[in-house]
Amino acid sequence: NAGVTQTPKFQVLKTGQSMTLQCAQDMNHNSMYWYRQDPGMGLRLIYYSASEGTTDKGEVPNGYNVSRLNKREFSLRLESAAPSQTSVYFCASWAADASGNTIYFGEGSWLTVV
Amino acid sequence: ELKVEQNPLFLSMQEGKNYTIYCNYSTTSDRLYWYRQDPGKSLESLFVLLSNGAVKQEGRLMASLDTKARLSTLHITAAVHDLSATYFCAVEDGSGSRLTFGEGTQLTVNP
Repeated sequence: NAGVTQTPKFQVLKTGQSMTLQCAQDMNHNSMYWYRQDPGMGLRLIYYSASEGTTDKGEVPNGYNVSRLNKREFSLRLESAAPSQTSVYFCASWAADASGNTIYFGEGSWLTVV
Repeated sequence: ELKVEQNPLFLSMQEGKNYTIYCNYSTTSDRLYWYRQDPGKSLESLFVLLSNGAVKQEGRLMASLDTKARLSTLHITAAVHDLSATYFCAVEDGSGSRLTFGEGTQLTVNP
């Protein structure tokens, strides 16, 4: 059981380039999330998808787009990367079970924009 | 807008000592989560607190939730070096679909 898988793990981009971060989960979860983590700021929600076919903005959506391709996959796209988007990006998926809601995180994607 | 604040943000303590990390949040919520993160790694779930008065313990860590005070605590008993990490609390919003995280508490346990 792979859980939540993100690719790539590391990426360096030049300002203005575009790229897509891929995320897939094999746990049949409805809800998926993209967070960014910056020093001293915890994790901030970029976009989320409560179910297949729906997406919603989080706290810091500017400069990003997302696609919920199917129930398994939720991608994050940077159309024109900026140095302010240098960060660690975490994909997550969410399951409500008997012990409450459990959120599972991917391993993270380290993105540097120069 | 839900806001979550942790304190302290940095904590350096000696092995064998006790200490408490505090997590305050701004709007009503019955569900609170604690995570641990090691440098360069993802987040590991520690506790899920689902109701007022909930208390959970795992080893040297104990978490509690007071929804009336909008406060959760993570108590560390007789700290050991292996507990060195960054600890995050996160609060579920009223719709049950989003988590808002605190800034994190970077804990260093010194021999």
